[in-house]
Amino acid sequence: QKEVEQDPGPLSVPEGAIVSLNCTYSNSAFQYFMWYRQYSRKGPELLMYTYSSGNKEDGRFTAQVDKSSKYISLFIRDSQPSDSATYLCAMRSGGSNYKLTFGKGTLLTVNP
Amino acid sequence: DAGITQSPRHKVTETGTPVTLRCHQTENHRYMYWYRQDPGHGLRLIHYSYGVKDTDKGEVSDGYSVSRSKTEDFLLTLESATSSQTSVYFCAISGDRGRINGYTFGSGTRLTVV
Repeated sequence: QKEVEQDPGPLSVPEGAIVSLNCTYSNSAFQYFMWYRQYSRKGPELLMYTYSSGNKEDGRFTAQVDKSSKYISLFIRDSQPSDSATYLCAMRSGGSNYKLTFGKGTLLTVNP
Repeated sequence: DAGITQSPRHKVTETGTPVTLRCHQTENHRYMYWYRQDPGHGLRLIHYSYGVKDTDKGEVSDGYSVSRSKTEDFLLTLESATSSQTSVYFCAISGDRGRINGYTFGSGTRLTVV
């Protein structure tokens, strides 16, 4: 079993839809959870991060972590064509080791 | 990307030749990483560094070596390039301030081995 599983999609939605992106993981030591957005032919950029379980909201984006189920989600409200990108989840354990483990990414297209 | 640059951006090389990719940062961050990104595999860690002259292997390190003689530069060398090393290579940096750190990625180097 891979440490982090992410449905690669592709996912295609109409503009204005609510998008749900998800990852599951197997390593119970993971404490920090992140979402990266990667536009075509660009490097990933950090979009959201959360520590431990709970929700975090930033504008149209909400990140959720359920450590009991080893499941994290990213919700995008009122999706826009500019949200079209690949979304990668990433996570790491605590302590001084900052190595991240990434999901394979989900390709999202928002159609006008 | 602010604070981190990769060179070259594109390179075509022949099988069997050595290739060196450069990552340069201006953030004075301690940690630097080299990833490759391939369809169906996502981002895979090749090597990383946790300080000058301090490096360690990642999950796909065979055929690659790294060096870090200065805080700002992290070099990735393909000792004898093979077609399986055709990929997009990303460098990333992260700080060390005792709190959560995401990575900042460079724009990538697209390498083709023919």
